[in-house]
Formats: sequence, C-alpha cells, structure tokens
Amino acid sequence: DADVTQTPRNRITKTGKRIMLECSQTKGHDRMYWYRQDPGLGLRLIYYSFDVKDINKGEISDGYSVSRQAQAKFSLSLESAIPNQTALYFCATATLTGDPSSTQYFGPGTRLTVL
Amino acid sequence: GQNIDQPTEMTATEGAIVQINCTYQTSGFNGLFWYQQHAGEAPTFLSYNVLDGLEEKGRFSSFLSRSKGYSYLLLKELQMKDSASYLCALTSNDYKLSFGAGTTVTVRA
Repeated sequence: DADVTQTPRNRITKTGKRIMLECSQTKGHDRMYWYRQDPGLGLRLIYYSFDVKDINKGEISDGYSVSRQAQAKFSLSLESAIPNQTALYFCATATLTGDPSSTQYFGPGTRLTVL
Repeated sequence: GQNIDQPTEMTATEGAIVQINCTYQTSGFNGLFWYQQHAGEAPTFLSYNVLDGLEEKGRFSSFLSRSKGYSYLLLKELQMKDSASYLCALTSNDYKLSFGAGTTVTVRA
C-alpha cells in the first residue's frame, strides 16, 4: 500500500461548488503540506501543518481552507470553486525533526477541473 | 523571498549526458533538493545538497555552490525512462520548500 494517498484522484466540478480533497499517510510523519501545480509555474504551497493544532498559510492560500483531523489526515477544501483553481493538487509529508531539510514525500496527486 | 531559475526544456540523446542548471537568490538558505517528476505523477526525491560540492548517486550527480547560488543535476548514460521534469527546490529554516518551475528533459533514441 502507498504511504501517502489522496482521494479523489480525478474530479470535475462546476463553478461555485464546495470541494474537499483528502490526504492520508501511514508514514507517521508530523509535517503535512498541500501544493498545487500549474503548467510553467511549478509547485506552489497552499497550506501546511506541523501537528493537529498547527495550521499555516502558504503563498497561495486565498480561496482554500484546510483541516488536520488527525496526525495522519490533512484535508483541503475549496469553499466555492472557480475555474482558475483547475490544477493538479499534491499532498506531501515529512518528519518533524530538528533538521528542516528532511525529505518531503508526495502523494499521487488529484487532478481537479472546475468548469 | 525566493527566486529560482532553471531552463524550461532540454533534449538529449539516449546514452548521452545532460546537465540541468539551477540558480537561486534567497535568504535563510538551508539546502537544495532535486526531484524527478514523470508526467502526471508525483515528484520523487533524487538528491539533497547542503554543503558545497558534488553528491553522486549512480547515474545521477548533484552539485552545489552556496556562494554562487548555483546548483546542477547531472544525468549520465541517459535512458528513455529519464524523460521527465526535474525540479530544483530550496529549503530554509521554516521547514518549507520553494520550487523552481522545473526542467522538462526529453530523451531521444
């Protein structure tokens, strides 16, 4: 079984709908991240969390919210989806050690299309 | 803030060598990652450099010069399966990664 899973893998929705993307991990990592990837722009950080009570905004958090339900689960919500949120979304995890360089491990991604 | 530059595309022949450069300007630099990403798939870890110099892992090597804000990823004995995007990413003391836009490498027979 994969260490980092994302559901759904693909989703097509309409403008104005509420969407939730879910991420689960079995790696026992404390740090979890949500990114979006657009052609030519690379990966950009939306939100990140270091434990259940810790939520931090990334560089592009507007229009998104997150919930860290447990150490292993980190969900991303689009309260009212708009077409420019069409992108590939990745969840990533990493250990929380004294070293900020610990490797991030990525889930398989969710391809979201907003019509 | 972070400013990370890498070429958009590169093409090479099977069996050849390709060098992907990454230049950056940043504050609070801790280290530099290289990730490989096949189309539509998740990025996967290739290498990490924190000290100046060359790190070698089989066919892949990565180099870092902190004073010059420069890194490269060297792919040797190219294989068709090496066709992918290669992402340069910086880490700082706040446990976040900042990614370049990626370099798409196409390997031709």
